[in-house]
Amino acid sequence: AQTVTQSQPEMSVQEAETVTLSCTYDTSENNYYLFWYKQPPSRQMILVIRQEAYKQQNATENRFSVNFQKAAKSFSLKISDSQLGDTAMYFCAFINAGNNRKLIWGLGTSLAVNP
Amino acid sequence: NAGVTQTPKFRVLKTGQSMTLLCAQDMNHEYMYWYRQDPGMGLRLIHYSVGEGTTAKGEVPDGYNVSRLKKQNFLLGLESAAPSQTSVYFCASTMGATLSYEQYFGPGTRLTVT
Repeated sequence: AQTVTQSQPEMSVQEAETVTLSCTYDTSENNYYLFWYKQPPSRQMILVIRQEAYKQQNATENRFSVNFQKAAKSFSLKISDSQLGDTAMYFCAFINAGNNRKLIWGLGTSLAVNP
Repeated sequence: NAGVTQTPKFRVLKTGQSMTLLCAQDMNHEYMYWYRQDPGMGLRLIHYSVGEGTTAKGEVPDGYNVSRLKKQNFLLGLESAAPSQTSVYFCASTMGATLSYEQYFGPGTRLTVT
């Protein structure tokens, strides 16, 4: 079965510090894509970062970066210089290429950034 | 370019009533999805569509129906609402012809069934 596990239901971090959110997944496919989505209190789902499984280089978007370990099927999100606006639910998801574009979702990690 | 829009944003129904949620996208996306989000359960796929005139069941389709008569619209219907359908509903879309797999989301509809 294809699954995504986020082992940290809740996390907190002080403003300006760094925090890492964990995600592991299970798939037998070799060609897939991984995502981190953010859902702030406004409820809007926002893509934070995307990683193609065939790329060895870890994706980076400003203060957000991932540690992609394909053999371990691990895809963690690092947020540097945390800001109050980073307070949100963070969802990890993956999709197998050609799989009717159906995302497999984790249950999310609630992140609180404290002033 | 409005992206993905959902109508309505909030709705309260009595048990047994029916309603239709409308999702519209202006990005010419082939694929569209309906999810529900409940506390502690993440996002669960209700139905999806891989193109105009096609629909398919997701993981929690019971009690819902969908239609995709126009490429830009994806309708989600509740024929006889039940309290278990109280949830936040999200519509999403993505391209089909390219390798971009990012799903774009609407703002959500909060539905309460009493």
